Amino acid sequence: KNQVEQSPQSLIILEGKNCTLQCNYTVSPFSNLRWYKQDTGRGPVSLTIMTFSENTKSNGRYTATLDADTKQSSLHITASQLSDSASYICVVSGAGNYGGSQGNLIFGKGTKLSVKP
Amino acid sequence: NAGVTQTPKFQVLKTGQSMTLQCAQDMNHEYMSWYRQDPGMGLRLIHYSVGAGITDQGEVPNGYNVSRSTTEDFPLRLLSAAPSQTSVYFCASSSDGNYGYTFGSGTRLTVV
Repeated sequence: KNQVEQSPQSLIILEGKNCTLQCNYTVSPFSNLRWYKQDTGRGPVSLTIMTFSENTKSNGRYTATLDADTKQSSLHITASQLSDSASYICVVSGAGNYGGSQGNLIFGKGTKLSVKP
Repeated sequence: NAGVTQTPKFQVLKTGQSMTLQCAQDMNHEYMSWYRQDPGMGLRLIHYSVGAGITDQGEVPNGYNVSRSTTEDFPLRLLSAAPSQTSVYFCASSSDGNYGYTFGSGTRLTVV
């Protein structure tokens, strides 16, 4: 079964500290993996997207890594800010029919990050 | 450039009532989809469309209808609301169905 598992479920860090969020997936065949940030009461916003051949992609203080062999990804946040408080969702796109039973987008449950002053 | 616009932002329905959640995008995207987000669960696909006049079911389609008469609009209809449909609904669009999804800000629906 295609699944995306994220850890930890929630995380509290102090402002200025770094943190790393984890994503493991079993989606096959694999097309791409993306990280979204979802602020409370808002829709998800894309941070990064990586295909099979990409190992690392950065977007400002956000750096995502992908190991397609072990089917693991991480999102590293550097020098956290209060505005980083949000849910971070890992989404894996399976190759194949869009949206159908083959599962175009498989969403993780998210990691809720709280950055405290 | 508005992106993906969803209306209303909040709605309370009584069991058995019907309503339509609106979704419009101004990016000329062919691919549009509806998701629901429930506590402790990832977003789940309800229905999707790969172009005007073409729709198909996703993972959790029961109790919902869609149609796509124009590229811009993709409304989601609840035929007879049930408490199990209490959720936050997101509409998303994409130019190619694979990369670059844009999500709306969501509709929070409560069925009592």
